[in-house]
Amino acid sequence: KNQVEQSPQSLIILEGKNCTLQCNYTVSPFSNLRWYKQDTGRGPVSLTIMTFSENTKSNGRYTATLDADTKQSSLHITASQLSDSASYICVVSPDESGGGNKLTFGTGTQLKVEL
Amino acid sequence: EPEVTQTPSHQVTQMGQEVILRCVPISNHLYFYWYRQILGQKVEFLVSFYNNEISEKSEIFDDQFSVERPDGSNFTLKIRSTKLEDSAMYFCASSDLGTYYEQYFGPGTRLTVT
Repeated sequence: KNQVEQSPQSLIILEGKNCTLQCNYTVSPFSNLRWYKQDTGRGPVSLTIMTFSENTKSNGRYTATLDADTKQSSLHITASQLSDSASYICVVSPDESGGGNKLTFGTGTQLKVEL
Repeated sequence: EPEVTQTPSHQVTQMGQEVILRCVPISNHLYFYWYRQILGQKVEFLVSFYNNEISEKSEIFDDQFSVERPDGSNFTLKIRSTKLEDSAMYFCASSDLGTYYEQYFGPGTRLTVT
């Protein structure tokens, strides 16, 4: 069964600090991995999308890495801001033979940035 | 910037009643999706829709669910006979192309079944 596991479940950091969130997946055959930010009560917003051939992708202060061999990804947030407080969700898409649109979501890491 | 919109923002219904959740995807997008998120749980894929037909669906999307694109702008999710366990946030999403492309999510409709 396709699964996406994230750690830590929750994290509190001080404003200005960096943090790294982890994601492990068992989705196969694999097509791409996405990181989303979800504010409470809102829809997810895409941060990055990486295919199996990409090792890293950045979007401003967000940098995602992917190791398709070990089926692991990380999201690094630099110089955190209060507005970064949200749930960060790792989402994996199988390729078309595996039902390409059936995204599998992780449970998310709840990040809180404090003063 | 174009965005996906959903109505209503909150729907309360009694068990056994039919509900229709509405979505207006981004205008030039071709793929449409419905997801649900039970409170405190992860987002779950329900169905994808392309070229006026369902392209993929999950095990959750059983006979009580149906989707429709009744005109050129709206995309609806109908739940025929709601159950208590259907209470969740329902998100609509759209993408301009399929599998490999970014999906844009709406703000969600919170469905409460009493």
